[in-house]
Amino acid sequence: GQNIDQPTEMTATEGAIVQINCTYQTSGFNGLFWYQQHAGEAPTFLSYNVLDGLEEKGRFSSFLSRSKGYSYLLLKELQMKDSASYLCAVRDSNYQLIWGAGTKLIIKP
Amino acid sequence: IAGITQAPTSQILAAGRRMTLRCTQDMRHNAMYWYRQDLGLGLRLIHYSNTAGTTGKGEVPDGYSVSRANTDDFPLTLASAVPSQTSVYFCASSEAGTSGTDTQYFGPGTRLTVL
Repeated sequence: GQNIDQPTEMTATEGAIVQINCTYQTSGFNGLFWYQQHAGEAPTFLSYNVLDGLEEKGRFSSFLSRSKGYSYLLLKELQMKDSASYLCAVRDSNYQLIWGAGTKLIIKP
Repeated sequence: IAGITQAPTSQILAAGRRMTLRCTQDMRHNAMYWYRQDLGLGLRLIHYSNTAGTTGKGEVPDGYSVSRANTDDFPLTLASAVPSQTSVYFCASSEAGTSGTDTQYFGPGTRLTVL
């Protein structure tokens, strides 16, 4: 079967750095996505990785290792507005997105 | 530019009733999708359409039907609602549907409660 695993919840302090991990087992791989979802709102696109390595976009970076079936999202200089759920999704061999259950990130002052 | 709109925002429905959730996009995207999101579970694909006139089944299609008569609209119909269909429903669209880099953009969602 296909599976995406990520921690259910994480807590971090404003101004700090947090790393959210995602491991996957899917039938084929055509890229990995990270989305942010604030409570009661729609998911919004954060990043895309298809090759191994780090993609940096401002305070957010995303890393991929295809051989390990592993990705992480790194958030720096945390702000209160970063409190949200972070969803990891993998595009499989049928070009469908397989989604993890999401990681709820709680930021404390 | 509105992007993707969904209607209604929320609905309470009696079991056994028929319900259509509406989704419209103005980005001229070829592909559209319907997902449901339940607490503790990832988004699950119900149906999708890679282009107007074609549709396909996702992971959880039973009890739902869709049509894609034109590029902009992708309604989702529950023929006879059951309580297990209580969920938040998201419509999404993307440019191509069959490309690795293709990014999906989401509507605001419909919160449906079936009693």
